[in-house]
Amino acid sequence: AQSVTQLGSHVSVSEGALVLLRCNYSSSVPPYLFWYVQYPNQGLQLLLKYTSAATLVKGINGFEAEFKKSETSFHLTKPSAHMSDAAEYFCAVRGQGTYKYIFGTGTRLKVLA
Amino acid sequence: KAGVTQTPRYLIKTRGQQVTLSCSPISGHRSVSWYQQTPGQGLQFLFEYFSETQRNKGNFPGRFSGRQFSNSRSEMNVSTLELGDSALYLCASSLDGRDNNEQFFGPGTRLTVL
Repeated sequence: AQSVTQLGSHVSVSEGALVLLRCNYSSSVPPYLFWYVQYPNQGLQLLLKYTSAATLVKGINGFEAEFKKSETSFHLTKPSAHMSDAAEYFCAVRGQGTYKYIFGTGTRLKVLA
Repeated sequence: KAGVTQTPRYLIKTRGQQVTLSCSPISGHRSVSWYQQTPGQGLQFLFEYFSETQRNKGNFPGRFSGRQFSNSRSEMNVSTLELGDSALYLCASSLDGRDNNEQFFGPGTRLTVL
């Protein structure tokens, strides 16, 4: 069975500071991992996905994530936060051969001026 | 390519009524999933359809049902509405829901039950 844990329901960073959003997964089969972003009153938008081609995945808007099998983690980072990054971020997992996506509970990112 | 569309965007109903929400996937996508999003529970998976067949189902009561048409458009129905059904209902489509195919989300339907 797959599961996802996002540590920290709220994260605040200063504009220009490093963004680090944590995601740990549990999967009995090699997983596919995704990060999505949701802006207020909108649906979810894909930031990036891990498909086993490379452990460091680059996404849109300057975000990237590193797959670490030994730590069962897929943390999302961005070197320098921008005010427009304020949103809710969701990590999701799906095991190979399964059809069901499991989403984490989300992390709301606040960027301070 | 047009994105996932959901209608209506906003809906207000009273307890005991029923409601039908519609989702049109991206052209060529055959898998459609539905999620309920609430502040307390986050994103909860309702069900997934592929080629008019329900392939996966979440842990929701039988009041929640869905279907998919031959053109991949999908509807979900909630009968005997309860206050707790107030939520953002999101639809997502993907090519076939397999492998590394990501889901593309619609803007959601905001349902308020009074």
